[in-house]
Amino acid sequence: SQQGEEDPQALSIQEGENATMNCSYKTSINNLQWYRQNSGRGLVHLILIRSNEREKHSGRLRVTLDTSKKSSSLLITASRAADTASYFCATDGGTGGGNKLTFGTGTQLKVEL
Amino acid sequence: DAEITQSPRHKITETGRQVTLACHQTWNHNNMFWYRQDLGHGLRLIHYSYGVQDTNKGEVSDGYSVSRSNTEDLPLTLESAASSQTSVYFCASSESGVWDTQYFGPGTRLTVL
Repeated sequence: SQQGEEDPQALSIQEGENATMNCSYKTSINNLQWYRQNSGRGLVHLILIRSNEREKHSGRLRVTLDTSKKSSSLLITASRAADTASYFCATDGGTGGGNKLTFGTGTQLKVEL
Repeated sequence: DAEITQSPRHKITETGRQVTLACHQTWNHNNMFWYRQDLGHGLRLIHYSYGVQDTNKGEVSDGYSVSRSNTEDLPLTLESAASSQTSVYFCASSESGVWDTQYFGPGTRLTVL
């Protein structure tokens, strides 16, 4: 079964607006990562947040992590048409989980001009 | 520049045939992974390897096999292709650490008729 579940499944916004995507997971983690996938392409890593971190920024991206609720959010500020893509959260297996990741089902973001 | 490549990019085959999908990385990463991506399921892990001669089963390994004879390559073999294996397949690699992100190939779209 999927470790991570994203919400919403699809999101449509206007250019310049902010986009927020949420991820919930089930077991303990060492870190949580967010990836982007453009149509017909492979996934590209965006940002990693460790289990002892609560918030992390990278450019227009802001990620939060609440380990007590087993949830994370990805905020994209001042969105652009080029941000149109699917976004996936991915979690590791925690202690003893090795280096493999479990991906959620993704949020499809469409940014309209 | 280091990269990860997959071949072929598209493949059509018939039920019952053996198919091998190639994955080659020049990152010199120890870890390599194979995923399949289907609508509604996100990415699901098929097999993974933490180094030469090491292979492990993932979430959906039935009907698939891998072998790791060198650092650069992890070919995925479908022993007897089934229509349920029609999917997009992604290969990824990462370094050894728990904090390491995965680098994805461009994907192979496989159709089993």
